[in-house]
Amino acid sequence: EVQLVESGGGLVQPGGSLKLSCAASGFTFSGSAMHWVRQASGKGLEWVGRIRSKANSYATAYAASVKGRFTLSRDDSKNTAYLQMNSLKTEDSAVYYCKSEEGYWGQGTLVTVSS
Amino acid sequence: DIVMTQSPDSLAVSLGERATINCRSSQSVLYSSDNKNYLAWYQQKPGQSPELLIYWASTRESGVPDRFSGSGSGTDFTLTISSLQAEDVAVYYCQQYYTTPRTFGQGTKVEIK
Repeated sequence: EVQLVESGGGLVQPGGSLKLSCAASGFTFSGSAMHWVRQASGKGLEWVGRIRSKANSYATAYAASVKGRFTLSRDDSKNTAYLQMNSLKTEDSAVYYCKSEEGYWGQGTLVTVSS
Repeated sequence: DIVMTQSPDSLAVSLGERATINCRSSQSVLYSSDNKNYLAWYQQKPGQSPELLIYWASTRESGVPDRFSGSGSGTDFTLTISSLQAEDVAVYYCQQYYTTPRTFGQGTKVEIK
């Protein structure tokens, strides 16, 4: 059974940092690109970014709204993807989902940016 | 960026009736080298994570009931629920994976009339 489990969400002040993790199982994580998607309360889905596999040089891509502030990484030995979020803004408040290239989604982790 | 526009924003359909959701991309998501449309549909039920319904515009994901079907090519796509069931109440999103950023439509909320 495929499982993606996000963790690391919480309350952070504007300008702060947070690192989210996505632990994967049940599929070949090392061969899959991993994406992050966020959803503000009552709003639609917003793609945040993607990190490709080792075979594709771990290439990353980001939404314009987070470029330069967010960084994607992965540890294939731990079957885990990460989203480092710096210089957080109130508009970054959302549920953050990780998603595999094959279309599997995690349950999401809530990030609240507020003073 | 490719802009994805869904219509309508919401619709109410009687049980057993057909529901049709449209998705238009601002540029073609048909890749000429493999003749595939890089378009997926997702279903998000209240309080749940999204789930993949359709990929390559018309291929149903394993386990998805056959009352769900996808069609279209290039820039215009349709998700059809042939006979709406109570468990289909959800928000439906299209997404292009032709290029990054992997943009989503704004979502279409489907309710029971």
